[in-house]
Amino acid sequence: QKEVEQNSGPLSVPEGAIASLNCTYSDRVSQSFFWYRQYSGKSPELIMSIYSNGDKEDGRFTAQLNKASQYVSLLIRDSQPSDSATYLCAVRRYGQNFVFGPGTRLSVLP
Amino acid sequence: DTEVTQTPKHLVMGMTNKKSLKCEQHMGHRAMYWYKQKAKKPPELMFVYSYEKLSINESVPSRFSPECPNSSLLNLHLHALQPEDSALYLCASSQENTQYFGPGTRLTVL
Repeated sequence: QKEVEQNSGPLSVPEGAIASLNCTYSDRVSQSFFWYRQYSGKSPELIMSIYSNGDKEDGRFTAQLNKASQYVSLLIRDSQPSDSATYLCAVRRYGQNFVFGPGTRLSVLP
Repeated sequence: DTEVTQTPKHLVMGMTNKKSLKCEQHMGHRAMYWYKQKAKKPPELMFVYSYEKLSINESVPSRFSPECPNSSLLNLHLHALQPEDSALYLCASSQENTQYFGPGTRLTVL
């Protein structure tokens, strides 16, 4: 079982819709969870971090964490073509390395 | 300021060349990382420096040699690389639980 799993996509949504990206992880004692956005040919850019169960909102982005289900998600409201990118989920146990999922490719169609 | 800088942006080298990649951050972060990323794959951890000491070497071939001259700088020395080493090389730094990436060096080995 891989440590961090994501659907590779591509996930296609129409402009203005909500994009929902999902991530599951295997290490039950993981404490920190991150979403990175990576445009083709560029480096990953941190867009959200979440540490506690529940929702965390930042602009059009909402991260949701459920530690009991070992599940973290990212919702993007009012999706724009500029949101088209690969979204990497990363998980960290205290003092350990960041473990990345394979990424989900999102395509927002005009 | 959450900036990590890397030079050069692009590098083409032959299999007999010696070159170095450079990374710099002025955020006071005490952990610095080298990652390798192939197309359509997540970043793959190579090395971690914590407080200027090498703490993790993920079984990387000796043709890659990291160096941390001070708390702001990280180098990756390259020698006798293979064509399969062509990739995007990412530097990152972290403090507490947040990791930031530099723009990367696109390396091509001929």
